[in-house]
Amino acid sequence: DAGVTQSPTHLIKTRGQQVTLRCSPISGHKSVSWYQQVLGQGPQFIFQYYEKEERGRGNFPDRFSARQFPNYSSELNVNALLLGDSALYLCASRRTGSLNTEAFFGQGTRLTVV
Amino acid sequence: GENVEQHPSTLSVQEGDSAVIKCTYSDSASNYFPWYKQELGKRPQLIIDIRSNVGEKKDQRIAVTLNKTAKHFSLHITETQPEDSAVYFCAASMIQGAQKLVFGQGTRLTINP
Repeated sequence: DAGVTQSPTHLIKTRGQQVTLRCSPISGHKSVSWYQQVLGQGPQFIFQYYEKEERGRGNFPDRFSARQFPNYSSELNVNALLLGDSALYLCASRRTGSLNTEAFFGQGTRLTVV
Repeated sequence: GENVEQHPSTLSVQEGDSAVIKCTYSDSASNYFPWYKQELGKRPQLIIDIRSNVGEKKDQRIAVTLNKTAKHFSLHITETQPEDSAVYFCAASMIQGAQKLVFGQGTRLTINP
């Protein structure tokens, strides 16, 4: 089985632009979560989706939005990019919506805002 | 909300010695505590987790202990090997509800040959 795949792997954007990051979960996994990992820190929770519904949202501004598609893949959108949005964006998938199943992380998308 | 503190931020041990990383959490409702290993440029990988109904869990050279009264949990690695060098993150969450993992700041572990 392929693992969690994220695209693109690297991205450079200018302040004020918009970006869309994509995540494909492991086949059979219905839950996708997004995390932001700033260099030297632990990942911070942004969103969780299960069965195409938002199940949780972290302390991020409304510039951050996400959605999950019928095939359980997901997109994270960030509008009006700021320098502080530069980070590694990680996607994690689980088979169910419960923490009773292991979360598998993708390799991440490294976003640089200049 | 939940807050997780992790210590130390860096740890250097001789190959074969033991390493201990400690975390404290603030929300007494948290009942799920995973540990992740992240090698340079790679994805975080779950190495062990513990739920609040047990005080200790072992998997070969790795063990985790949990003290719910004191709200702290620790990762113990014995007989360390060079491939144990990585950044380790603890996290806390509740099993029910949103899958919001709250991570510590990370510990960079270096195993010296």
